[in-house]
Amino acid sequence: GAVVSQHPSRVICKSGTSVKIECRSLDFQATTMFWYRQFPKQSLMLMATSNEGSKATYEQGVEKDKFLINHASLTLSTLTVTSAHPEDSSFYICSAIGTGVSYEQYFGPGTRLTVT
Amino acid sequence: QQQVKQSPQSLIVQKGGISIINCAYENTAFDYFPWYQQFPGKGPALLIAIRPDVSEKKEGRFTISFNKSAKQFSLHIMDSQPGDSATYFCAASLTPASKLTFGTGTRLQVTL
Repeated sequence: GAVVSQHPSRVICKSGTSVKIECRSLDFQATTMFWYRQFPKQSLMLMATSNEGSKATYEQGVEKDKFLINHASLTLSTLTVTSAHPEDSSFYICSAIGTGVSYEQYFGPGTRLTVT
Repeated sequence: QQQVKQSPQSLIVQKGGISIINCAYENTAFDYFPWYQQFPGKGPALLIAIRPDVSEKKEGRFTISFNKSAKQFSLHIMDSQPGDSATYFCAASLTPASKLTFGTGTRLQVTL
């Protein structure tokens, strides 16, 4: 089956620094990737949709300059949280839709970000 | 119009019982309704999904019932097992390849 990985699985950073999270489709080409944020005991909230080679589409209320998304290849999308603050601490999950696989969204295992 | 309402928030079921989780949507343009299972600290995994052209879909112990006129759909877990203890999310989207709108989640606990 199609596999999506995320790196790192956990990251702790200091307030004011930036952190990059990678999302990779391991065995298929991902034409579209989605980034979600999930706070403890809450649902997944879509942050943005990215298509390979084009700018990401952000959901209302998500700061484009704070959450930088790059989908530079068909197997890699990155989310960079810039000038992180404690309120950015959350579980970040990516998903991917690709070619040559069924049309469902394949989710990554998530990245736990803690900002101290 | 983009909301998906899910109930109950939590559910305790005895082993072997039936777990039932309900969802309701408002946007009649939604055309794809998946259910996801999520364990703590993990990403969600697709359990089963349905399109509006059928009223029921069954895969193993999992069944989706879909009522298009009422704009409601539900997940039934038959013969619930302790290993089913997880959080379940319903979702909806315009197409299978579109962004998903998630329900609020249901924490299921299956007791021995």
